[in-house]
Amino acid sequence: GQQVMQIPQYQHVQEGEDFTTYCNSSTTLSNIQWYKQRPGGHPVFLIQLVKSGEVKKQKRLTFQFGEAKKNSSLHITATQTTDVGTYFCAGEGDSNYQLIWGAGTKLIIKP
Amino acid sequence: NAGVTQTPKFQVLKTGQSMTLQCAQDMNHEYMSWYRQDPGMGLRLIHYSVGAGITDQGEVPNGYNVSRSTTEDFPLRLLSAAPSQTSVYFCASSYPWGPQHFGDGTRLSIL
Repeated sequence: GQQVMQIPQYQHVQEGEDFTTYCNSSTTLSNIQWYKQRPGGHPVFLIQLVKSGEVKKQKRLTFQFGEAKKNSSLHITATQTTDVGTYFCAGEGDSNYQLIWGAGTKLIIKP
Repeated sequence: NAGVTQTPKFQVLKTGQSMTLQCAQDMNHEYMSWYRQDPGMGLRLIHYSVGAGITDQGEVPNGYNVSRSTTEDFPLRLLSAAPSQTSVYFCASSYPWGPQHFGDGTRLSIL
């Protein structure tokens, strides 16, 4: 079945360093969504990418959707303590309504 | 605006007991889903619904039942609780192909 692989599982950074997480799908996606989950909280929607090669920015966050619509990335510039949490990608296929979730990348800020 | 409301927030059950997790949304969303999230893991889809009267199985449906008699409500029933069902359960709703809005979750422990 359709799978979305997300790497890395964890990333430790010093505050002020950059952070990137990557998602790869086994099949072409109609769109990909990104969510953030704070410890003890629920996933919160960040952004949705629909077009091939699309790049969107939200302040220090940059989201990309690959040309083949099978991969995506989230890059955070100059991390802050408020960025701590787990970032999930979730891909939607063409055939039915089922979001397939990556396992998440946990961002840990080193003191 | 309440969004997605899940009850209860916490529950402890004994093996073999049954219970219903409640989920209600006030955004008139057609799509609703139930996920489980195990420690350090991503979200796994249990059941979903694309409208009142329509439900379908997700990735891990065994041991769970759902019904969707109204647009607003989407209860999840555990038929005979097992320790393997200890998890955090999230309900989500959305418009077709749109971002998902999550409830705060139900933390369920099965002894």
